[in-house]
Amino acid sequence: EVQLVESGGGLVQPGGSLRLSCAASGFTVSPNYMSWVRQAPGKGLEWVSVIYSGDTTYYADSVKGRFTISRDNSKNTLYLQMHSLRVEDTAVYYCARVGSTSRPGAFDIWGQGTMVTVSS
Amino acid sequence: QSALTQEASVSGTVGQKVTLSCTGNSNNIGSYAVGWYQQNSHGAPKTVIFGNSLPSGIPDRFSGSKSGTTASLTISGLQPEDEADYYCSTWDYSLSAVVFGGGTKLTVL
Repeated sequence: EVQLVESGGGLVQPGGSLRLSCAASGFTVSPNYMSWVRQAPGKGLEWVSVIYSGDTTYYADSVKGRFTISRDNSKNTLYLQMHSLRVEDTAVYYCARVGSTSRPGAFDIWGQGTMVTVSS
Repeated sequence: QSALTQEASVSGTVGQKVTLSCTGNSNNIGSYAVGWYQQNSHGAPKTVIFGNSLPSGIPDRFSGSKSGTTASLTISGLQPEDEADYYCSTWDYSLSAVVFGGGTKLTVL
């Protein structure tokens, strides 16, 4: 079964750091484009970052310079390292697979999400 | 303000056909395929249309299309379980970013 399972969320103080993980099963992360998408409480979906198969990365302006997307092919896992966290980063974070390299903005598989709360 | 524009709310009765729209520009929808996602209360998004294709397990009453810079999601034969929030997304090459619509709340009367 194709599946994504996120972990690593929690409560962190403003200015703190957190690393999210997304374990993939049923497919191999390395040749795929993989992304993080977040959803603040009561709000819509907001794209965070994407990593291409060749390790090219892109970020939303709101997280550029603070977040880093990466993957460990040996563990078939996607990561999101988050630094200098702000209250406005509070959200459920989903990892998602881009379904086709010719459709770079369309996702076909989603994880269940992990909650990140930034509060003092 | 979202880069893609969706109706805030749409409603329909059981069995009716409804169409949700997602409007962008030549840098995004005009150039790339669109994904549509269904999200129920407290749940993760689920892909219902992927570049006009129907993912495995999605009922064939869901269909997608695109004309110019507007994409559409049509649900033929609306069912109570279709009540949810629906989002669209695509790539925007001028922003080098994935862009989402603000979401449409679909109510089944």
